[in-house]
Amino acid sequence: GQQLNQSPQSMFIQEGEDVSMNCTSSSIFNTWLWYKQDPGEGPVLLIALYKAGELTSNGRLTAQFGITRKDSFLNISASIPSDVGIYFCAGQGRINTGTASKLTFGTGTRLQVTL
Amino acid sequence: NAGVTQTPKFRVLKTGQSMTLLCAQDMNHEYMYWYRQDPGMGLRLIHYSVGEGTTAKGEVPDGYNVSRLKKQNFLLGLESAAPSQTSVYFCASSYSYQPQHFGDGTRLSIL
Repeated sequence: GQQLNQSPQSMFIQEGEDVSMNCTSSSIFNTWLWYKQDPGEGPVLLIALYKAGELTSNGRLTAQFGITRKDSFLNISASIPSDVGIYFCAGQGRINTGTASKLTFGTGTRLQVTL
Repeated sequence: NAGVTQTPKFRVLKTGQSMTLLCAQDMNHEYMYWYRQDPGMGLRLIHYSVGEGTTAKGEVPDGYNVSRLKKQNFLLGLESAAPSQTSVYFCASSYSYQPQHFGDGTRLSIL
């Protein structure tokens, strides 16, 4: 089946630094999503991307849909302590009428921010 | 401003017991989902629903059943719990095929 590789698995950064993470797939996707999960809570949708090459921002977060449609990138600028959490990418193939194309989740990037 | 509410939050079962997890959303969403999250793995879709009275299998449906009798509720049932079903279960809802709002999860341990 489809697999998503997220990199890095974890990272420690200092407050104020910029963060970059990526997600690569063995298959082409039509939609890329990025979620953040805080401890003890459910994931929160951060950004959705629907077109190859698309670049979308949400505050300090910027995500890109790779040109090959097999990868996506998430950048966080000027990190702050509340950015701590696990970031998941998710890819989705073509949606057929009446059925949901399976959303494949990556294994996550754990971000820790030090003061 | 409840969003997606899951009950219970924690549960311990013995092998072979049955139970039902309840998910309720107050956003009038058509789409609802049940996922499981295991250590070191991404979320995996168990079952989903695209509207009241409809359900469909996801990636890992074996051992689970679901019902969507009311638009706002999506129930996940374990008929005969097995240790392999120890996991954190998340419900989600949305207006589309991309889950947007998640509950805080149900932590289920099966001994």
